[in-house]
This record gives sequence, C-alpha cells and structure tokens, in this order.
Amino acid sequence: DSGVTQTPKHLITATGQRVTLRCSPRSGDLSVYWYQQSLDQGLQFLIQYYNGEERAKGNILERFSAQQFPDLHSELNLSSLELGDSALYFCASSLEPGTIYGYTFGSGTRLTVV
Amino acid sequence: AQRVTQPEKLLSVFKGAPVELKCNYSYSGSPELFWYVQYSRQRLQLLLRHISRESIKGFTADLNKGETSFHLKKPFAQEEDSAMYYCALRSGGSNYKLTFGKGTLLTVNP
Repeated sequence: DSGVTQTPKHLITATGQRVTLRCSPRSGDLSVYWYQQSLDQGLQFLIQYYNGEERAKGNILERFSAQQFPDLHSELNLSSLELGDSALYFCASSLEPGTIYGYTFGSGTRLTVV
Repeated sequence: AQRVTQPEKLLSVFKGAPVELKCNYSYSGSPELFWYVQYSRQRLQLLLRHISRESIKGFTADLNKGETSFHLKKPFAQEEDSAMYYCALRSGGSNYKLTFGKGTLLTVNP
C-alpha cells in the first residue's frame, strides 16, 4: 500500500449534482496534489496544497474547488457536474512541495456522470 | 510554459525486443524529469528520476538537454512491462507541479 488513500473508489452521479472526493496523504507528507485523468487529455494537474495552503493551480474549473484541512487530508469538490467531468481523479502527496523524489499517488476515484 | 510531449500513444513490441518510449520536453530552465508507470487498473508509480541515474526493472532514461529529451529504454522487453508510461517534468523555482505527458501505452506481445 502506497499510503495515499482516496475515497470513494467509484462514484456515479447525475449531471448537475455535486460530489466530494477525499484524499488522505501518506503519513508525514505535507503536500497534496489533485490530478484529473481522462482518455483524451491524459493527466491534467488541477491544484496543489502544502500544509493547508494553496500552492499551485492548474487547469481547474471554477465549478471545482479544493481544500486541505489541519489534519492534512484534502477534499476536492466538484459541482454542477457535466458529462465531460467523468474521469479518474488522482490524489498524490509528497513531503515537500515539488520534491525531487516524485509523488506518491493514490489509487484514484473513478467518477461517472450520467 | 512547460510542456511534455510523448509522441507515441501506442507502442507494441515483441518479448525480448528493445523498447524505447520517447519523451520530449519544453522548459527554459533546469528541469527535473521523471517516468511514471501505471499497470492495468493500478495507481501511478514512480519508475525513474533523472537525477538518480538509476536503472529500475531494466529501464533506464538519460536526460539529453541538447535535444530536450528523456527517452525511456529497455534492451529486452518483458510481457510484464505492458503498461501505461508517463513522462513528467517538474520545473524549478516556485512552480511545484508535475506536468505529465499524455502517456504511451506499451504492449509487449509474447
């Protein structure tokens, strides 16, 4: 087990709905990263938090938001869902921001919007 | 802006054949390059970091700054190497995110 835990593993919801994806980083890691993986776009960086603060923002839609809590777990909120939001959402963690040792990834949450 | 290009979406080789997965990057500073692998239905795993000059599972990758490339190579492919491979770049400074290429699906046929 890599230590990064994502829940739920699968999520099926209807268009227009709102969902929350949860990520618990590996023990001791302070940085959390969210990525969206889709067939046509590959892995797209969404957002990064370090010790509770937003550090970097990527191609994250305004309908999406995230936060990192004092216990370092993070949540990604997706609202007004559209069919195109169906994807695999990965969370990764690292000890420091931009560590040269790379990230540890979770197993992802597969979101299906119907 | 930083960019990672993996020109091959699909790559198919026979077992025992050499394999090279191409990765080119665009970045003006000193990049840090990584290769990640994702086996079927599993999470992404770090395979290689260019700074460590390591060989993992028989794979190696050399950073060529002149050609802005970081190709992944293995002299003799194995069936268990079949997976999705992503090249990633981390720029220096305060930009902490990893930028991934779109990935290459490697299939090693028996």
